[in-house]
Amino acid sequence: RKEVEQDPGPFNVPEGATVAFNCTYSNSASQSFFWYRQDCRKEPKLLMSVYSSGNEDGRFTAQLNRASQYISLLIRDSKLSDSATYLCVVSWGWGKFQFGAGTQVVVTP
Amino acid sequence: AAGVIQSPRHLIKEKRETATLKCYPIPRHDTVYWYQQGPGQDPQFLISFYEKMQSDKGSIPDRFSAQQFSDYHSELNMSSLELGDSALYFCASSLDLGQGVCEQFFGPGTRLTVL
Repeated sequence: RKEVEQDPGPFNVPEGATVAFNCTYSNSASQSFFWYRQDCRKEPKLLMSVYSSGNEDGRFTAQLNRASQYISLLIRDSKLSDSATYLCVVSWGWGKFQFGAGTQVVVTP
Repeated sequence: AAGVIQSPRHLIKEKRETATLKCYPIPRHDTVYWYQQGPGQDPQFLISFYEKMQSDKGSIPDRFSAQQFSDYHSELNMSSLELGDSALYFCASSLDLGQGVCEQFFGPGTRLTVL
């Protein structure tokens, strides 16, 4: 079993709609969680960190469920520019990070 | 299904030596990305190639160079190795699904140790 798993999608989302997807992790010692956005052929960019209490940044909401060992990302009022691959990154211990393979989101007009 | 192949999986070199890491993308994938993850560090994006041309450049040292060949495999060349180059180097390959979205898969990584 992979340590970090994501539904690859693609999630086809009408513009203005809400989309949510999860990232599961297997290491119960995981401590830090992040969502990155990656455009095709480009460097992944940090979208947001994920905190235990959940956090929101504009149209993006991230949540952590430690009991079920997953994090989620919700995008409200989707824009065409939200089309990208969303990578989750899980960290356990010092300097141990693992990328998920990414979830593709395609926002359509 | 075929995955991203990296070779070698482990490499030990001495300071000031050179190293070449290879990445073979999934068939039909046209883009390759290189990342470096050092001990105690989060993964760092180094460079990406699309259709044999550099697409994006991150924190790749000047001592490193990379290229993508006509068969889409990529090589990361590292010269004048330093102790700090010891890291896990992993590559990913992707296929453009259209509308700015790529299907991406990561390779298992090459662990480089510089003594």
